[in-house]
Amino acid sequence: DVVMTQSPLSLPVTLGQPASISCRSSQSLVHSDGNTYLNWFQQRPGQSPRRLIYKVSNRDSRVPDRFSASGSGTDFTLKINRVEAEDVGVYYCMQGTHWPPVTFGGGTKVEIK
Amino acid sequence: EVQLVESGGGLVKPGESLRLSCAAFGFTFSNAWVSWVRQAPGKGLEWVGRIKSKIDGGTIDYAAAVKGRFTISRDESKNTLYLQMNSLKTEDTAVYYCTTLRVTHYSDYWGQGTLVTVSS
Repeated sequence: DVVMTQSPLSLPVTLGQPASISCRSSQSLVHSDGNTYLNWFQQRPGQSPRRLIYKVSNRDSRVPDRFSASGSGTDFTLKINRVEAEDVGVYYCMQGTHWPPVTFGGGTKVEIK
Repeated sequence: EVQLVESGGGLVKPGESLRLSCAAFGFTFSNAWVSWVRQAPGKGLEWVGRIKSKIDGGTIDYAAAVKGRFTISRDESKNTLYLQMNSLKTEDTAVYYCTTLRVTHYSDYWGQGTLVTVSS
């Protein structure tokens, strides 16, 4: 199974400052069809997860453009340009290239300093 | 409005069974591949299993931790997904979400989750 490793575990950020989360996979996430199926999810406190990003860097509709993502192969990054209070929560990466099984990273908790 | 609504959670003893349901509204459920994802208290997300649409073969896959104990099924006439959980263990305690878990540009949907507690 593909192991997804996120860092850091916890990310205290000052409002208005940038934040960056790393996600690494134990093997390349490039699918045989040429696509890389790497999603990012946000889970606010007490809520269900919500997809932010699909295929490495594509933002879902209604996701603010302060969120961006990049990466290739085994290394991926989610960035928040200027953190707002509503961004507090846990962020997960997920690979959908080599499934079953789908595998998630362990999560990164973003909190306000 | 698109909704996935889970139900059926509760408190059961180790070794007992429980069936969860997930009713889908507002999208073409019959075309969707649907997954169950769980989250133990204070922990991360864990994929449980997935069922493809009938048109794509209806294949079902399971995580190793639940294979042989859990069964996923779907009823197109009721737009409903099911998760039959047998021989439950304390480590199955979690909030169970149904989700489309899409990896392409199609919108992705999650239910609100239903809590399953396995305890003696």
